[in-house]
Amino acid sequence: AQTVTQSQPEMSVQEAETVTLSCTYDTSESDYYLFWYKQPPSRQMILVIRQEAYKQQNATENRFSVNFQKAAKSFSLKISDSQLGDAAMYFCAYRSYYSGGGADGLTFGKGTHLIIQP
Amino acid sequence: DSGVTQTPKHLITATGQRVTLRCSPRSGDLSVYWYQQSLDQGLQFLIQYYNGEERAKGNILERFSAQQFPDLHSELNLSSLELGDSALYFCASSAETGEGNTIYFGEGSWLTVV
Repeated sequence: AQTVTQSQPEMSVQEAETVTLSCTYDTSESDYYLFWYKQPPSRQMILVIRQEAYKQQNATENRFSVNFQKAAKSFSLKISDSQLGDAAMYFCAYRSYYSGGGADGLTFGKGTHLIIQP
Repeated sequence: DSGVTQTPKHLITATGQRVTLRCSPRSGDLSVYWYQQSLDQGLQFLIQYYNGEERAKGNILERFSAQQFPDLHSELNLSSLELGDSALYFCASSAETGEGNTIYFGEGSWLTVV
């Protein structure tokens, strides 16, 4: 079974600064997907960014980018120019992919609570 | 707005009772997932349906059951409720083709068992 570890229960950053959230995972599979989800106080789960394991290029979405190190099984999220609205719980998630068109659910880490200091 | 709709948003019920949570997936998505988020257990995958059939099962209790109907909406039935079942229950959906391996979440249904 796959596991996802987020070693930082809480992180704090000054507004406009850059912060990196860590995530490592354990899997024996070669094909999979990795995601970062954001959960603000409203508790809605919002997709931030996704990465396919077969792609070497790191995914970026505006101020959000990842550092995907497949050999090291590491998938960190960098938030540049932090804004007050970025304050939330951030979850790293793993999803298997196998041929045949199906996939099961996401395996989540326990989350990192990101605090933005004004 | 993710396009995934869940009802009810909030529900308070007594121990021993049964409740049904309802989910409408994003238009065109064939897969529906149910997740449970409690304070001490984090996010737990419960079950997945694909085009009406059960595809994968996670940490779902025997007291819980789900189904997906021909119009692709899904229901999660929770019975013989216990205090520990109090949690936020998410429904999510995905297309399962191409870029469709991304899972989009609804806003959740808050269940409080008293």
